[in-house]
Amino acid sequence: AQTVTQSQPEMSVQEAETVTLSCTYDTSESDYYLFWYKQPPSRQMILVIRQEAYKQQNATENRFSVNFQKAAKSFSLKISDSQLGDAAMYFCAYRSRGGSQGNLIFGKGTKLSVKP
Amino acid sequence: NAGVTQTPKFQVLKTGQSMTLQCAQDMNHEYMSWYRQDPGMGLRLIHYSVGAGITDQGEVPNGYNVSRSTTEDFPLRLLSAAPSQTSVYFCASSLSRYGGYTFGSGTRLTVV
Repeated sequence: AQTVTQSQPEMSVQEAETVTLSCTYDTSESDYYLFWYKQPPSRQMILVIRQEAYKQQNATENRFSVNFQKAAKSFSLKISDSQLGDAAMYFCAYRSRGGSQGNLIFGKGTKLSVKP
Repeated sequence: NAGVTQTPKFQVLKTGQSMTLQCAQDMNHEYMSWYRQDPGMGLRLIHYSVGAGITDQGEVPNGYNVSRSTTEDFPLRLLSAAPSQTSVYFCASSLSRYGGYTFGSGTRLTVV
């Protein structure tokens, strides 16, 4: 079974600085998706960025980018020019492309604080 | 476009009561799932469906039932509420086995 591990329960960053959130996963599959979801205090789950495992190029979305290391099974999220609105829980998630289930498997989350 | 709609947003139940959490999506998504979120535990899968008439258990299914009679609706039933079911519940949907899921806004359930 696949597992997702986020080893940093809490992180803090100064406004306008850069922060990296870590995620590792365990799988025997070669084809899958990885995601980062943001959950602000409103509790809405917001998709931040996604990566397809067969693509070597790291995904980017404005100030958000990932460092995808397939061999190391690592998928970190970098937030550049941090803003107060980035303060939230961040969840890393895995989704298999094969099989009939296709469910998301989540890590336990990292709480990000942004200091003004 | 409403996306994924969950009702109610908040609910307090007494131990032993039953209730149904509603979930509806208007995106013609085949895949739908129910998750519960507890502090320090992330989101854990309760039940899921890959199409109308097809459901299966996830990681923590005990005490919950689901059915999927239409593509749009995927209700979650609590049979006899217990304090251990106090949690935030999320419904999510996906068009296919590819890509991400869209989440509803969640239901905060308290069982006293």
